[in-house]
Amino acid sequence: DIVMTQIPLSSPVTLGQPASISCRSSQSLVHSDGNTYLSWLQQRPGQPPRLLIYKISNRFSGVPDRFSGSGAGTDFTLRISRVEAEDVGVYYCTQTTQFPWTFGQGTKVEIK
Amino acid sequence: EVQLVETGGGLIQTGGSLRLSCAASGFTISNNYMNWVRQAPGKGLECVSVIFSDGSTYYADSVKGRFSVSRDKSRNRLYLQMNSLRAEDTAVYFCARLLGWSFDLWGRGTLVTVSS
Repeated sequence: DIVMTQIPLSSPVTLGQPASISCRSSQSLVHSDGNTYLSWLQQRPGQPPRLLIYKISNRFSGVPDRFSGSGAGTDFTLRISRVEAEDVGVYYCTQTTQFPWTFGQGTKVEIK
Repeated sequence: EVQLVETGGGLIQTGGSLRLSCAASGFTISNNYMNWVRQAPGKGLECVSVIFSDGSTYYADSVKGRFSVSRDKSRNRLYLQMNSLRAEDTAVYFCARLLGWSFDLWGRGTLVTVSS
């Protein structure tokens, strides 16, 4: 199984300041079709997960442009340019290049 | 409206069986890659099964041989039959669509509690 490792596991952030989450996979996420199926999910308290970013850097419909994704191969990053109160929650990276699909442990973003 | 609604969770004894259901609206389940993803209390996410549009299925090692995923085209529903339940199966079970190889649609989940 591909292991996804997120750093940090907790990120206290001041409102309006940036936040960054790193995700590393135990093997390359490049699929045989040439795409890299690395996504980022947001889970607000008491809610199901919600897709933010797909294929490394593509924002899903309705996602604010303060969210951005980058990376390649085995190293990926989610950035929030200016954290807002509604961004509080747990963020997961996930790979769907190879079954079983796997998730990072989650990074809790909270307001200082 | 495009949505998924899970039902069927509850309290079940160790070794028992339970069938979860996921009703889809706004799209056709059988034309999509559908997953069951679970989340133990206070923990992260684990994908336990997937059924592809061609009907092929895959399971996580943790549930292989005990869980079975199926779908009903006429009712546009996805199912998860869970047998030989263990305490470690206690979790919220989400139904999720994989579109373009991303989890783009999630239900609100149904809680399964396995207790002796």
